[in-house]
Amino acid sequence: GENVEQHPSTLSVQEGDSAVIKCTYSDSASNYFPWYKQELGKRPQLIIDIRSNVGEKKDQRIAVTLNKTAKHFSLHITETQPEDSAVYFCAAATGYSSASKIIFGSGTRLSIRP
Amino acid sequence: GAVVSQHPSRVICKSGTSVKIECRSLDFQATTMFWYRQFPKKSLMLMATSNEGSKATYEQGVEKDKFLINHASLTLSTLTVTSAHPEDSSFYICSARDPRGQGSYEQYFGPGTRLTVT
Repeated sequence: GENVEQHPSTLSVQEGDSAVIKCTYSDSASNYFPWYKQELGKRPQLIIDIRSNVGEKKDQRIAVTLNKTAKHFSLHITETQPEDSAVYFCAAATGYSSASKIIFGSGTRLSIRP
Repeated sequence: GAVVSQHPSRVICKSGTSVKIECRSLDFQATTMFWYRQFPKKSLMLMATSNEGSKATYEQGVEKDKFLINHASLTLSTLTVTSAHPEDSSFYICSARDPRGQGSYEQYFGPGTRLTVT
């Protein structure tokens, strides 16, 4: 089955700087890659996603890149703000149906230093 | 976006008892729902796929007789933790995708249920 690895496990950046989180996946059939933000005790919230037919996607301060050949994908947050502090999870799924299960990475705890 | 609810949000039970957790899709029909568990400061681990009208599909290592899943309607899946032990204490989260979403593959997560077994 699919295995998603994520690093770093913790990341601390100065407010205003950029943060980068990297993930790899094992199943070449995976074609949907969402990123989630989870605050303590809350449900994961989708912040951005990318499909395998796209190499890069951007939404304001957040961007995601995908390298299908290397099975790598990354999250980039620019101009970080205190409210960006949270745990971020990458994930991978195969197929676009409602039955496509999502496999999560191990998570990155991002802290923004004032 | 679509809404998924869970009940209860928190539950404390004694060892050996069973606990039922409900997951509901409030404004859409979900033929498939997913159950995850999350230990403190850990990732979400997929436990099983809940299929309406048929048996759930369990991930490797998850005991189907311990974690009973029933998906009796298009808006409700239940997870019953049977003969609970302290090591079953965890945060349980369900999710489902709104099939109406045109071009959207977003999974909507419930708010989670924190189970504590004493």
